[in-house]
Amino acid sequence: AQTVTQSQPEMSVQEAETVTLSCTYDTSESDYYLFWYKQPPSRQMILVIRQEAYKQQNATENRFSVNFQKAAKSFSLKISDSQLGDAAMYFCAYKGTNTGNQFYFGTGTSLTVIP
Amino acid sequence: DTGVSQDPRHKITKRGQNVTFRCDPISEHNRLYWYRQTLGQGPEFLTYFQNEAQLEKSRLLSDRFSAERPKGSFSTLEIQRTEQGDSAMYLCASTNLAGGPREQFFGPGTRLTVL
Repeated sequence: AQTVTQSQPEMSVQEAETVTLSCTYDTSESDYYLFWYKQPPSRQMILVIRQEAYKQQNATENRFSVNFQKAAKSFSLKISDSQLGDAAMYFCAYKGTNTGNQFYFGTGTSLTVIP
Repeated sequence: DTGVSQDPRHKITKRGQNVTFRCDPISEHNRLYWYRQTLGQGPEFLTYFQNEAQLEKSRLLSDRFSAERPKGSFSTLEIQRTEQGDSAMYLCASTNLAGGPREQFFGPGTRLTVL
């Protein structure tokens, strides 16, 4: 089974600063999808950003961008100009194309934004 | 509101009782997923439906768990003879196959407490 590892249980960042959340994954597939989800306290999980493995260009969504290193099986999330509303649990997720239809999630990183 | 809804939001039950949760996905979404999330962990896949067909089940899904999606619309997840270890947040998510594996849209979850 695929595994997704988030090695940083907790991170903090000063408001307006930049923070990078790490994610690594294990797979034998060549084609797959990677996601970052945000789960604010007591609120629904929402998609932050998504990356297709066949695309070499790193995905970007406003202040959120990824550093996708396919050979290293690394998929980090960079949040620029951090805002108080960015405080949440962030989950990295993987979905393969040939190994069923499951989404595999990491254990999450709790991000605190310091005013 | 056109998002994913779940009912109830909270359920407290005594060990040994049966519970049933309901999920209403986004109406045009043909795939529906159930996850379990415990404190400090990411969502763990339980099962998923494509329309009314249950296509995949996790090994986590013991015989006490059953899920249905009778008309390809809403889904129910039943847990029989609940145990304290079943205490968790149960999340439902839906997605649409069209255009590839798009993001999953999550519901607010049902928090189960087994006393």
